[in-house]
Amino acid sequence: TQLLEQSPQFLSIQEGENLTVYCNSSSVFSSLQWYRQEPGEGPVLLVTVVTGGEVKKLKRLTFQFGDARKDSSLHITAAQPGDTGLYLCAGLLMTTDSWGKLQFGAGTQVVVTP
Amino acid sequence: NAGVTQTPKFRVLKTGQSMTLLCAQDMNHEYMYWYRQDPGMGLRLIHYSVGEGTTAKGEVPDGYNVSRLKKQNFLLGLESAAPSQTSVYFCASSYSPGLATEAFFGQGTRLTVV
Repeated sequence: TQLLEQSPQFLSIQEGENLTVYCNSSSVFSSLQWYRQEPGEGPVLLVTVVTGGEVKKLKRLTFQFGDARKDSSLHITAAQPGDTGLYLCAGLLMTTDSWGKLQFGAGTQVVVTP
Repeated sequence: NAGVTQTPKFRVLKTGQSMTLLCAQDMNHEYMYWYRQDPGMGLRLIHYSVGEGTTAKGEVPDGYNVSRLKKQNFLLGLESAAPSQTSVYFCASSYSPGLATEAFFGQGTRLTVV
């Protein structure tokens, strides 16, 4: 069982449509990050959210951190083929027994077709 | 502009053989991580280190050992490889325990155990 549950596992949409990816946990995280991974590459950071309720926008991508710092969502408006990739959420634990532990969800594979 | 470098990039092992994966970072980062990535499982944390000379277990540490003798290097060892260890291995590093710290990833090592 993973600490961070992502849904859906796979999402296939047409160019121009909107999509939302969710990341949920029963644990409280000090911060939560979203990464995107291309085939054959390591993940690359998109955004970090730190404060409960925080909303960050990165062009057509909107990220939200839940008030209780247990969940997050990624919303893409008017998706483009270049948005295709594996989206991963990652939570940083800073508890006494898990200091500096960065854990990932299983990922959501997004495919945007022209 | 090396960032995080993993060697080797590909390796095939026979069951029972041993090997060491090397991760080197040139960004003076304190934190380093080893993950394995399997289809549908996302990135699972094997071991991590919050500083030179320190290591800690992640989610799936069994069958692996690590060492962080120098700040810039993080070694992952497989003493007796098993087919279940066939995976893509990623190393990552981050600067500090700060909440907004970004993890930088290497390009991965594809390991096959036959």
